[in-house]
Amino acid sequence: DAGVIQSPRHEVTEMGQEVTLRCKPISGHNSLFWYRQTMMRGLELLIYFNNNVPIDDSGMPEDRFSAKMPNASFSTLKIQPSEPRDSAVYFCASSSGGYNSPLHFGNGTRLTVT
Amino acid sequence: DQQVKQNSPSLSVQEGRISILNCDYTNSMFDYFLWYKKYPAEGPTFLISISSIKDKNEDGRFTVFLNKSAKHLSLHIVPSQPGDSAVYFCAATGNNAGNMLTFGGGTRLMVKP
Repeated sequence: DAGVIQSPRHEVTEMGQEVTLRCKPISGHNSLFWYRQTMMRGLELLIYFNNNVPIDDSGMPEDRFSAKMPNASFSTLKIQPSEPRDSAVYFCASSSGGYNSPLHFGNGTRLTVT
Repeated sequence: DQQVKQNSPSLSVQEGRISILNCDYTNSMFDYFLWYKKYPAEGPTFLISISSIKDKNEDGRFTVFLNKSAKHLSLHIVPSQPGDSAVYFCAATGNNAGNMLTFGGGTRLMVKP
């Protein structure tokens, strides 16, 4: 089991550019989550998919953020256009479902927008 | 509105002693609580959990206590080891929240040799 795989590990981009973060969940997991970690706000949930369908995107900060899950093994989080305040570590996590199933996190993507 | 709070941003403990990390919550609908540990440059990893039908759950050196009336939980690590040095996140969820977790802000534990 390779765990949740995120790419890239680090991304540095200029303000206004489009950024795409990628995630491959653990095989067989049917729930996928995108979290953002900042010093000010800690770990905050951005969006949650169940069986590839977005269930709750109330945490997505603005229309500049969008997420897709075209199949059970891949998800993307896109920021367009990016802004310096988007700088953070973005984590993807998956679980096997059920509200008491622990989440398995990837190692995150550190995004820096200059 | 922080529904899960960890009021101590950091904690320093001597190796071999007990570490106690605290967490408070406000949402009475939360009925399942988890602790995650995070090392630098890695994602959080699940450590231990407790259901609201219990007041204690133990796994080796780690014990989580839940006080529902006070809406408070704590993680005890005994004896503490230098390898326990990490950031610890408390998280909570409820049956009506799907399996969306609400995380606290984290406590950085430093165990000194």
